[in-house]
Amino acid sequence: DIQMTQSPSTLSASVGDRVTITCRASQSITNRLAWYQQKPGKAPKLLIYLASSLETGVPSRFSGSGSGTEFTLTIGSLQPDDFATYYCQQYNRNSPYSFGQGTKVGIK
Amino acid sequence: QEQLVESGGGVVQPGRSLRLSCAASGFILSTYGMHWVRQAPGKGLEWVALIWYDGSKTYYAESVKGRFTISRDNSKNTLHLQMNSLRAEDTAVYYCARDPGGREIDFWGQGTLVTVSS
Repeated sequence: DIQMTQSPSTLSASVGDRVTITCRASQSITNRLAWYQQKPGKAPKLLIYLASSLETGVPSRFSGSGSGTEFTLTIGSLQPDDFATYYCQQYNRNSPYSFGQGTKVGIK
Repeated sequence: QEQLVESGGGVVQPGRSLRLSCAASGFILSTYGMHWVRQAPGKGLEWVALIWYDGSKTYYAESVKGRFTISRDNSKNTLHLQMNSLRAEDTAVYYCARDPGGREIDFWGQGTLVTVSS
């Protein structure tokens, strides 16, 4: 099975900061990666799919990049609504789906 | 509008069974793959199972293989998860979620809590 490793596990940032979260796959998944945002007590929300495609309605300050085994989620200018936990997920063909362990973005 | 509403959660003793359901509305369920994803209290997301749009194929996480069964009834716009031989470590919020076809999960229900405890 494919293991997904996110870093960091937690980070503290201020409004306006540029934030980058990394996700590494244990083997190549080409571009079959999604990013989700989750707030406490709520279901996850899709932000990015196919590594770099922005889901409809998601603010353009969110962007994704990478391919193969290394991926990043970048928040260009952190807003108050962005304090949440972020997860990557791989959906490589013929492999069980799997999530990263999550990155909690908190207020500095 | 599009909705996924889970039901069937509750408190159950270890070793017993529970069946979760997910009712879909506002979209055509038969055109989507469907997943169950769970989240233990204070923990991250764990993918549990996937069923193809037509029910022809199913996939499971190793942690539930042989104990859980995912199924669907497209005529009733419903998804199910039959959970047998439940363990304390199965305690979690269970989400049903939609997949446009072997791809990312693009829509989630609000979840139902399953607590396995004696």
